[in-house]
Amino acid sequence: AQSVTQLGSHVSVSEGALVLLRCNYSSSVPPYLFWYVQYPNQGLQLLLKYTSAATLVKGINGFEAEFKKSETSFHLTKPSAHMRDAAEYFCAVKSGGSYIPTFGRGTSLIVHP
Amino acid sequence: DAGVIQSPRHEVTEMGQEVTLRCKPISGHDYLFWYRQTMMRGLELLIYFNNNVPIDDSGMPEDRFSAKMPNASFSTLKIQPSEPRDSAVYFCAIGSSYNSPLHFGNGTRLTVT
Repeated sequence: AQSVTQLGSHVSVSEGALVLLRCNYSSSVPPYLFWYVQYPNQGLQLLLKYTSAATLVKGINGFEAEFKKSETSFHLTKPSAHMRDAAEYFCAVKSGGSYIPTFGRGTSLIVHP
Repeated sequence: DAGVIQSPRHEVTEMGQEVTLRCKPISGHDYLFWYRQTMMRGLELLIYFNNNVPIDDSGMPEDRFSAKMPNASFSTLKIQPSEPRDSAVYFCAIGSSYNSPLHFGNGTRLTVT
C-alpha cells in the first residue's frame, strides 16, 4: 500500500524567503515520487519527479526536492519565494508496480509582499 | 507533447439535468483518469481506463455517474441526474509508463443549482 502525507494545508512566506513544503510517504517498495503545482483555474502541472536516480531533484521555476529514504520524505524547497509561486502544491507517490498515483491533500502556498 | 483538452471549461446546470463532460487526449498515453476536486475531499480518483478499457470504477460515487472511452482520443463522464453535491472541478488526466507523471487537463468546473 502507498500513501502520502503533506504536513500543513497552508504555508505562508514572505517574498524572498525560503519555501519548504513537507511530504512524507509510505511505501513497501522503492517509490516514484512527484510534486505537482496547481495555479488557479488550471490543472495540475508537474514540477519535478524522483525516479531512483539522483536523490536531489531539480525542477522548474527554481524548485528542488530531496529524497530521503531513512526519513521517508520528499520535501519541496525553493531558496527565494516569488509572488508567482502562490499556488496549490501536491505530492504524489507511485509504487509496487502501480500505475495509479496516490496524491496528498495539497498545501496552499501563500506569498506575502 | 502529451496534452489533454477538456470541455466545457464551465458548466452550470439545474438539479436533475444530465451533464456530460468531455476529454480529448492529444497523444502519448495508455491510461486515462477522471478525477474530482473539492475543497472538502481534495482530489478523488473516480475511474481509470487502460487502452480504452475501464479498469477500476470503484471511485464513482453512485450509479448516477458513468464514463466511457470509445477510442483513444475521446472520453466522457456523464452525470444523470445531477445533484448540487456534484458541484466540483472534474479533471481528466493521462499517463503512460510506470515512472511517468500524469498530464492533466484544465478541468471542467461544474455547478449544479
